[in-house]
Amino acid sequence: GAVVSQHPSWVICKSGTSVKIECRSLDFQATTMFWYRQFPKQSLMLMATSNEGSKATYEQGVEKDKFLINHASLTLSTLTVTSAHPEDSSFYICSASSSSPPPYEQYFGPGTRLTVT
Amino acid sequence: GIQVEQSPPDLILQEGANSTLRCNFSDSVNNLQWFHQNPWGQLINLFYIPSGTKQNGRLSATTVATERYSLLYISSSQTTDSGVYFCAVGVGGSNYKLTFGKGTLLTVNP
Repeated sequence: GAVVSQHPSWVICKSGTSVKIECRSLDFQATTMFWYRQFPKQSLMLMATSNEGSKATYEQGVEKDKFLINHASLTLSTLTVTSAHPEDSSFYICSASSSSPPPYEQYFGPGTRLTVT
Repeated sequence: GIQVEQSPPDLILQEGANSTLRCNFSDSVNNLQWFHQNPWGQLINLFYIPSGTKQNGRLSATTVATERYSLLYISSSQTTDSGVYFCAVGVGGSNYKLTFGKGTLLTVNP
């Protein structure tokens, strides 16, 4: 159990276009989902926390208008990178946790590798 | 915010050797997880261990919450154990945020 999927696995887009990444919890309901970013040979950095049906909470320094997050259901969250630029190229990973019962362990998707040309 | 330090940053072993990875954190935590990131980037949950000791096959972990550290033990290492091991900590309930350490890069040679 506790499987999280992401789609697509990798994407190449041109500078100035938008890209949508989906994160799904396949066998549990995820009240809370998280989006992370990882640069090569670095650790994961939290970008935002999203709760189903409410606005996402962004970490300091993350542009809300650039990284649009929607958590429309208990099994789906999406991250849209708007007007992508080469510096947005990175590995984006989502995670999900259920609200009950504890423990509130986070489960991670396989990641999406974004390359902006 | 909370600080997480992992040591050593790099570790090279021969197959069959044992190892201990350490995670120190700067404040009290409610949640602590250990992950293995494989070469394709997938984070695999190893342990959810805010306190106490757990074992799963050749892996075991111990967290001493009062002293703010956790240890991950790998016994009889195999080449497939290679990758980056992350410790991540959080405070709060179901919407807790995880703060990750910088990881330990483990290389197991045949």
